[in-house]
Amino acid sequence: DADVTQTPRNRITKTGKRIMLECSQTKGHDRMYWYRQDPGLGLRLIYYSFDVKDINKGEISDGYSVSRQAQAKFSLSLESAIPNQTALYFCATMPGGSSETQYFGPGTRLLVL
Amino acid sequence: GQSLEQPSEVTAVEGAIVQINCTYQTSGFYGLSWYQQHDGGAPTFLSYNALDGLEETGRFSSFLSRSDSYGYLLLQELQMKDSASYFCAVQKAAGNKLTFGGGTRVLVKP
Repeated sequence: DADVTQTPRNRITKTGKRIMLECSQTKGHDRMYWYRQDPGLGLRLIYYSFDVKDINKGEISDGYSVSRQAQAKFSLSLESAIPNQTALYFCATMPGGSSETQYFGPGTRLLVL
Repeated sequence: GQSLEQPSEVTAVEGAIVQINCTYQTSGFYGLSWYQQHDGGAPTFLSYNALDGLEETGRFSSFLSRSDSYGYLLLQELQMKDSASYFCAVQKAAGNKLTFGGGTRVLVKP
């Protein structure tokens, strides 16, 4: 079984709709992250969380919100989707302490029409 | 702010050696990571340097020079399966978030 899972894997939605992307992990890691990747580009950090009570904005948080429901679950919401939020979204986890390795989920491909 | 620069694309033949350079500008620095991503796949961790010098992991090696704000990933004995995008990423503090470069697409030809 995968250690980091994302649902859905693919989603098509319309402009103005609210959408939630979910991430679950069985690695027992405290730290979780949401990134977006646009074609041919690197990953940009949207939000991150170091534990259940800790939520931090990344470099491109506008138009997004998150919820850390439990250590294992970190959800990303688009309150009112717009076409330029069409992208590939990745969730990642990292152990606490001085770790240097992030573990990525398989990604969610989102298309906003 | 932070910025990381790496070449957009490199092409090489099987068995060759490829070096992917990464230069960075950041207000704080703890370490430099490298990730591999195949088309349609998730990024996977390859290597990490916190201190100056070379780290070797099988056919892949990574180098860091903190004084030059520079690192590279060396891919040796290239195989077709090495065709992928490679990203450098800066970590500003222990266990902290990563800032990624734009990625280098490596195409391995027969």
